[in-house]
Amino acid sequence: DTGVSQNPRHKITKRGQNVTFRCDPISEHNRLYWYRQTLGQGPEFLTYFQNEAQLEKSRLLSDRFSAERPKGSFSTLEIQRTEQGDSAMYLCASSQRGGGYNEQFFGPGTRLTVL
Amino acid sequence: AQKITQTQPGMFVQEKEAVTLDCTYDTSDPSYGLFWYKQPSSGEMIFLIYQGSYDQQNATEGRYSLNFQKARKSANLVISASQLGDSAMYFCAMRGNTNAGKSTFGDGTTLTVKP
Repeated sequence: DTGVSQNPRHKITKRGQNVTFRCDPISEHNRLYWYRQTLGQGPEFLTYFQNEAQLEKSRLLSDRFSAERPKGSFSTLEIQRTEQGDSAMYLCASSQRGGGYNEQFFGPGTRLTVL
Repeated sequence: AQKITQTQPGMFVQEKEAVTLDCTYDTSDPSYGLFWYKQPSSGEMIFLIYQGSYDQQNATEGRYSLNFQKARKSANLVISASQLGDSAMYFCAMRGNTNAGKSTFGDGTTLTVKP
């Protein structure tokens, strides 16, 4: 039984560079969520997909951020022209359905450091 | 809009004793779920326990129990017989049935178990 996986686990980049993260959800899960967590705070919702459709984006997701989920399987989150304020842990989660109770399984996260 | 408040930035407990971590919430959703997650230093979010807003009984999962007081909008986590491995960050979160399942998290409580 494989859980949610994320790659890379750590990424160090220089300001202004582009970075891309990948999330592989649990195979039968049709919902995929991205969250961002800064030091000392709880995760904040960024965006979510149902299958391949991106249904909602948070206002936290500036124009420099883009997420895709081609074919409704894995997802990528790209940050263009990174800024130091983008330094955070990026968490991916998946679930079978939406709604109040459908357990979201989280991946280990990608920790981004922008120098 | 949904909001989770965790008023205890840090808590200490002696090994083998019980500890209560506080969580209050606010939502306009008539139906919602409340969750607690554990986040060790490795960064992965580990699901602990769930309480549905219409559940009549408080949820329990092994050493974890959720003290749910709907009228007071509180969902406190009780950990019994604390173990050294319980030292971690603990997050309270909620999901409403009308918000597509995205989670709103509190800022967490750091629990330290003393030997």
